[in-house]
Amino acid sequence: DQQVKQNSPSLSVQEGRISILNCDYTNSMFDYFLWYKKYPAEGPTFLISISSIKDKNEDGRFTVFLNKSAKHLSLHIVPSQPGDSAVYFCAASGDDKIIFGKGTRLHILP
Amino acid sequence: EAGVAQSPRYKIIEKRQSVAFWCNPISGHATLYWYQQILGQGPKLLIQFQNNGVVDDSQLPKDRFSAERLKGVDSTLKIQPAKLEDSAVYLCASSSEGISYEQYFGPGTRLTVT
Repeated sequence: DQQVKQNSPSLSVQEGRISILNCDYTNSMFDYFLWYKKYPAEGPTFLISISSIKDKNEDGRFTVFLNKSAKHLSLHIVPSQPGDSAVYFCAASGDDKIIFGKGTRLHILP
Repeated sequence: EAGVAQSPRYKIIEKRQSVAFWCNPISGHATLYWYQQILGQGPKLLIQFQNNGVVDDSQLPKDRFSAERLKGVDSTLKIQPAKLEDSAVYLCASSSEGISYEQYFGPGTRLTVT
């Protein structure tokens, strides 16, 4: 029973363009939604979060959008850079624990 | 600020053998987590400690896995006996009290069971 779903295993985007990573969730009780970034042979790194009471949070090139009625969130990266190539995990937080999606591998093409 | 430390980084064992992983969280972080990440999956929580008490171990296979966090700082995770399906990366993470959604992860231990 996947509570957090990332339906795209991989995504390729041209350098300089916008990268959009999507995530769906099933539990309305989550209070924070998160994106983590992971490079090979490293642990995931916290990237950006959004409270369930907001619909947008922006941090530099990264913006997360939350659509509670659709139980959907997305991460926008603009402009995309070569260092953004990594696996991105969507996660949801509630009751002091985090549930992760399976991840989306983002390839930034030169 | 030093990050979360884990050792060893890699371990290869045969099935039915035992193995132990060590984690040192970020100084001052009260909450410590152990995750299992199987290839192609997201991290799955095995156990969560608040200081040296267990908060959640509902997904820990207690017949073979055990974990402890003595003195509320370092932690060890043990598997005994290991099975083939335990092959995974074991991640340790820590967080400040009250900010559980912002967790800091160590590099992980890649376990291969043959």
